[in-house]
Amino acid sequence: DTAVSQTPKYLVTQMGNDKSIKCEQNLGHDTMYWYKQDSKKFLKIMFSYNNKELIINETVPNRFSPKSPDKAHLNLHINSLELGDSAVYFCASSRTGSGDEQFFGPGTRLTVL
Amino acid sequence: GNSVTQMEGPVTLSEEAFLTINCTYTATGYPSLFWYVQYPGEGLQLLLKATKADDKGSNKGFEATYRKETTSFHLEKGSVQVSDSAVYFCALRLNTGTASKLTFGTGTRLQVTL
Repeated sequence: DTAVSQTPKYLVTQMGNDKSIKCEQNLGHDTMYWYKQDSKKFLKIMFSYNNKELIINETVPNRFSPKSPDKAHLNLHINSLELGDSAVYFCASSRTGSGDEQFFGPGTRLTVL
Repeated sequence: GNSVTQMEGPVTLSEEAFLTINCTYTATGYPSLFWYVQYPGEGLQLLLKATKADDKGSNKGFEATYRKETTSFHLEKGSVQVSDSAVYFCALRLNTGTASKLTFGTGTRLQVTL
């Protein structure tokens, strides 16, 4: 059984489009995260939700809007896509927000043309 | 601010060679330290961790010791295998109330050849 799953695995789109990436975890965890990994493999946190409440919001353009309909899901919606948004986006979850191991999804490779 | 510095790769080794990947950190407070591994086409997996000074994390033949005096957490393995080829990320975590976030290094690609 997949613990943290993301869809789609690959996403190719044009500049200016709006797209969403979905994440689901079946671990019963309270906290979920979105990370961005750029072309140089640098990995940086974007957002974190704990029980559907936003607890970490790094300096991310407001074109990025996370949405957590329930604590098992954290979706990432991106408006007006730009070339620089091309990256691999990883979802992760942990039992709580303070100190537990984070489990990562397989990633979504977004390519903006 | 908090940061993690890793040696640049790629690191290319022959099978059964000794591996060291250096990692140093800067942090305000007392972080927990981690090594994550990313195999090709997959997400990150926790390899090992240490939560306080002088702790040694170990898993699958890999080891790293939390050295507060040198602010380091170097990853070592005595005899690498081809299946160890992956990207290795050093990371730190500081807990701030209900939020904790991982700060990653830039990753080091390891390639092991026969």
